Amino acid sequence: DGGITQSPKYLFRKEGQNVTLSCEQNLNHDAMYWYRQDPGQGLRLIYYSQIVNDFQKGDIAEGYSVSREKKESFPLTVTSAQKNPTAFYLCASSRDTQYFGPGTRLTVL
Amino acid sequence: AQSVTQPDIHITVSEGASLELRCNYSYGATPYLFWYVQSPGQGLQLLLKYFSGDTLVQGIKGFEAEFKRSQSSFNLRKPSVHWSDAAEYFCAVGAANNFNKFYFGSGTKLNVKP
Repeated sequence: DGGITQSPKYLFRKEGQNVTLSCEQNLNHDAMYWYRQDPGQGLRLIYYSQIVNDFQKGDIAEGYSVSREKKESFPLTVTSAQKNPTAFYLCASSRDTQYFGPGTRLTVL
Repeated sequence: AQSVTQPDIHITVSEGASLELRCNYSYGATPYLFWYVQSPGQGLQLLLKYFSGDTLVQGIKGFEAEFKRSQSSFNLRKPSVHWSDAAEYFCAVGAANNFNKFYFGSGTKLNVKP
């Protein structure tokens, strides 16, 4: 089946730790995205990538980093510099339409 | 500036009643328009999209939406709501000439009364 997978579904982090969220797609899409979702705030764009080895900051990139070494993969690292990382994280990919993964819920302990 | 407005944060309808969710957009280029649905703890699922042609588009789960250029609107409708339609709905707009930037509304939460 074609689609987008995200792992893990739930992730717990201690303060001061970096954590990496996985996103993989087999839709052969060039563009991939990371969004953060907080209650009542809709989706906010963290980073996006239009092509392998290239990515751009979105609206709330501070405290996050990404890489795009392969077309299929776009991992997101939440660094200790992100002051309020508890949120639901969504990965998406697109050609002319965005398709979303199932999400990762990150909780800081 | 590009933006999408969903004026209703919460809507409650009775099961079997009709539904209309509003979406207005501001976009400088020719827009591509989308509606997504999200159940709690899940990703967003595409309901329907409009690129060009017939301004009334049909989607999955019995939903339809109408593009009205003069009103910059893309409202989502369903003639008879089912309890399983309770979810959050997001309207989004992208550029016909830039597939890589999408703008989302803040969402409308739909409650369905039995």
